[in-house]
Amino acid sequence: GAVVSQHPSWVICKSGTSVKIECRSLDFQATTMFWYRQFPKQSLMLMATSNEGSKATYEQGVEKDKFLINHASLTLSTLTVTSAHPEDSSFYICSARDFKEGNTGELFFGEGSRLTVL
Amino acid sequence: GDSVTQMEGPVTLSEEAFLTINCTYTATGYPSLFWYVQYPGEGLQLLLKATKADDKGSNKGFEATYRKETTSFHLEKGSVQVSDSAVYFCALRRTSARQLTFGSGTQLTVLP
Repeated sequence: GAVVSQHPSWVICKSGTSVKIECRSLDFQATTMFWYRQFPKQSLMLMATSNEGSKATYEQGVEKDKFLINHASLTLSTLTVTSAHPEDSSFYICSARDFKEGNTGELFFGEGSRLTVL
Repeated sequence: GDSVTQMEGPVTLSEEAFLTINCTYTATGYPSLFWYVQYPGEGLQLLLKATKADDKGSNKGFEATYRKETTSFHLEKGSVQVSDSAVYFCALRRTSARQLTFGSGTQLTVLP
């Protein structure tokens, strides 16, 4: 099946620094990618929808200036956590769908990126 | 809004035991329902799905039936293996939506 890869899988940073997480679709093109956040023992919460060539659509309560999303190509979306603080520590997961399959195609997920802010 | 409620874990079973992980949902209309599995160190993978009432999704010995009357989509397997140890997520997607709504996940550990 299609593969979505995230990098890095684990990152530790100091408070106040910015961290970039990459999400790549390896064998298909994705006009839309989704970024989720997962807290321990809680469900995945959709943060934003990343659209290739245009601005991301953020869910209510998600700070767009805090979580910068860039979808520069059909195979790459990046999430930058700016001025990270300990409360931003979490597991971030991206997902993508082959654009050829339309909005009802299967979603493929990355392996997730664990961010720890000291 | 839409929501998915899953049986809390962790669940620990012996090999060859019967597995049930409960999942109920709240949504308007007729959403599609999914079970995803996340093995250690890997991303979520689609395990099975059902798109309308009374549909049964099945894969790798796992089954789940879309029950509209009870708004449920319980995951079952007759005989679990050690290799089934993973986190299982129930999810739904309304017809008009592009994204999924997830349950909180259930950690399953199968002991030899």
